[in-house]
Amino acid sequence: ETGVTQTPRHLVMGMTNKKSLKCEQHLGHNAMYWYKQSAKKPLELMFVYNFKEQTENNSVPSRFSPECPNSSHLFLHLHTLQPEDSALYLCASSQGTYNEQFFGPGTRLTVL
Amino acid sequence: QQPVQSPQAVILREGEDAVINCSSSKALYSVHWYRQKHGEAPVFLMILLKGGEQKGHEKISASFNEKKQQSSLYLTASQLSYSGTYFCGTVFPFGNEKLTFGTGTRLTIIP
Repeated sequence: ETGVTQTPRHLVMGMTNKKSLKCEQHLGHNAMYWYKQSAKKPLELMFVYNFKEQTENNSVPSRFSPECPNSSHLFLHLHTLQPEDSALYLCASSQGTYNEQFFGPGTRLTVL
Repeated sequence: QQPVQSPQAVILREGEDAVINCSSSKALYSVHWYRQKHGEAPVFLMILLKGGEQKGHEKISASFNEKKQQSSLYLTASQLSYSGTYFCGTVFPFGNEKLTFGTGTRLTIIP
């Protein structure tokens, strides 16, 4: 595997489900990010991790819970989501925060 | 506060030039440019730092005007492969939401 990988690529869940998104980077970077991309809206930065420590949480609702066990893996735990949370969730990594970011292919999430 | 990009969309013939602007209401530390093709992840183009020089990559270059709090992306002699949505991201040195992106500029290159 190379670059940044994300699983699953597509996810459909009900409002009462609990699911997790996984991101893995194979680039040796120390910073990782979660983004939300909705149609006709700007790319929204959700969380930033640097050396496994969360350095930024941009007012994201608590139904989204990130986890970064090490510099190569990033998870986004989802529970009791709303239909408006349906979007493409992108993971990215970089060497140092806010440097050139490499994005994964994203997970297309649909909340019913 | 998110930067404002203009134009929102542009259609060019192959070989024509384009300029995409990104403006901020706050003093900037740096500006990032990314391109995203339909159904794909964003791809990094360049970063411009406050006080830095104009950057360039082949026929794509950008400038950063600190006084105007604005960055411009220049695409010269556009190619079909340049089609996609271009996003600028602005970084502020203080406070929350340090990195925010504009709504994007959709560029379509036709033969």
